[in-house]
Amino acid sequence: GAVVSQHPSRVICKSGTSVKIECRSLDFQATTMFWYRQFPKQSLMLMATSNEGSKATYEQGVEKDKFLINHASLTLSTLTVTSAHPEDSSFYICSARDPTGSYNEQFFGPGTRLTVL
Amino acid sequence: LAKTTQPISMDSYEGQEVNITCSHNNIATNDYITWYQQFPSQGPRFIIQGYKTKVTNEVASLFIPADRKSSTLSLPRVSLSDTAVYYCLVGFSGNTPLVFGKGTRLSVIA
Repeated sequence: GAVVSQHPSRVICKSGTSVKIECRSLDFQATTMFWYRQFPKQSLMLMATSNEGSKATYEQGVEKDKFLINHASLTLSTLTVTSAHPEDSSFYICSARDPTGSYNEQFFGPGTRLTVL
Repeated sequence: LAKTTQPISMDSYEGQEVNITCSHNNIATNDYITWYQQFPSQGPRFIIQGYKTKVTNEVASLFIPADRKSSTLSLPRVSLSDTAVYYCLVGFSGNTPLVFGKGTRLSVIA
């Protein structure tokens, strides 16, 4: 199946700094990507929908000025956690759909573990 | 988006068949039913998808009754490596996001 990668796989940063997470579709073009956050022992929570060439759509309760999303190309979306705080520590996962695939399937990246000290 | 309900957890011994049922009473006509598997600290992995009746692949089977208000994921002869969280999702997908419920935590015991 199609492959979605994320970089970095884990990051540790100091409180107040900004962290950028990349999500790439390796062998297909994705006009839409999705960003999720997952806390320990909990389910994935949708944060935002990233649209190539336009503004992201954020879910209720997600601060767009804190979680900056840029979908600059058909294979790359970035999530920047600005002025990170310990409560932002979480597992961040992106997904994308291969429009040429036979299923209505979304492929997920391996996730990025963010720890804010 | 259709809401799904599935058991919070299940235990099984190695070699047994495991059936996880998901309820989705307000499924829409265009909705597909998709199951994902997630291991700790990994992204979810697609298992199987169906619209109606039965679908089978090399990993699992998916049974969907005629009214489509529920579905059952069947894992034949589970092994320890099948210990994971299994999510049932309902939706058209495409460019709409998948909304995850709580999932079922399957523990396979030797």
